[in-house]
Amino acid sequence: QVQLVQSGAEVEKPGASVKVSCKASGYSFTGYYLHWVRQAPGQGLEWMGRINPNGGGTNYAHKFQGRVTMTRDTSISTAYMELSSLTSDDTAIYYCARVSSGWYRDAFDIWGHGTMVTVSS
Amino acid sequence: QSVLTQPPSVSGAPGQRVTISCTGSSSDIGAGYDVYWYQQLPGTAPKLLIFGNSHRPSGVPDRFSGSKSGTSASLAITGLQAEDEGDYYCQSYDPSLSGSAVFGGGTKLTVL
Repeated sequence: QVQLVQSGAEVEKPGASVKVSCKASGYSFTGYYLHWVRQAPGQGLEWMGRINPNGGGTNYAHKFQGRVTMTRDTSISTAYMELSSLTSDDTAIYYCARVSSGWYRDAFDIWGHGTMVTVSS
Repeated sequence: QSVLTQPPSVSGAPGQRVTISCTGSSSDIGAGYDVYWYQQLPGTAPKLLIFGNSHRPSGVPDRFSGSKSGTSASLAITGLQAEDEGDYYCQSYDPSLSGSAVFGGGTKLTVL
């Protein structure tokens, strides 16, 4: 079964950093880009960036440049998203999502269940 | 503010047909990039509903259909059911940054 399993909820203080993990199973981890998308409470989806697990190359949304770092560990088929200098505006559910080219023409076809990150003093 | 524009809400009675629009620009949808639609039911992660403008993944009922024309796209849902109630998002790509996805603001579908 193809799935992405994310780490559990986090509560952080303003100014701190958070690192969320996304473990892939049921497919070749290095064969698909993984993207990170967040959703603030009651709001829409916001693209943060992507990582190519085959090589580790990344692209980040301009809004998060300098504050986000996406990495991966191919030995355990896991991707990570670290966000620093947290503020209350970063309170959101963070999703990882796989992008499938070919038949699915670059659709986000598999999504993780989401990780709630709360930033509060 | 989202790059793609969707109506905040739509509603319909069971069995009726509703459509959700998604308006982009000549830089994204109008530049030939595909449009995708996702369904997000309350408390769950988004789920792929339509890819490549008009194609349904296996398991998605044919009550759901997508189309694209110029700088806009539409999602149509026929034979509305109570279980369709939730949020719907369109998505495309922005060529200004490699691999950069753009989303609509989302549309809340209410089944009356």
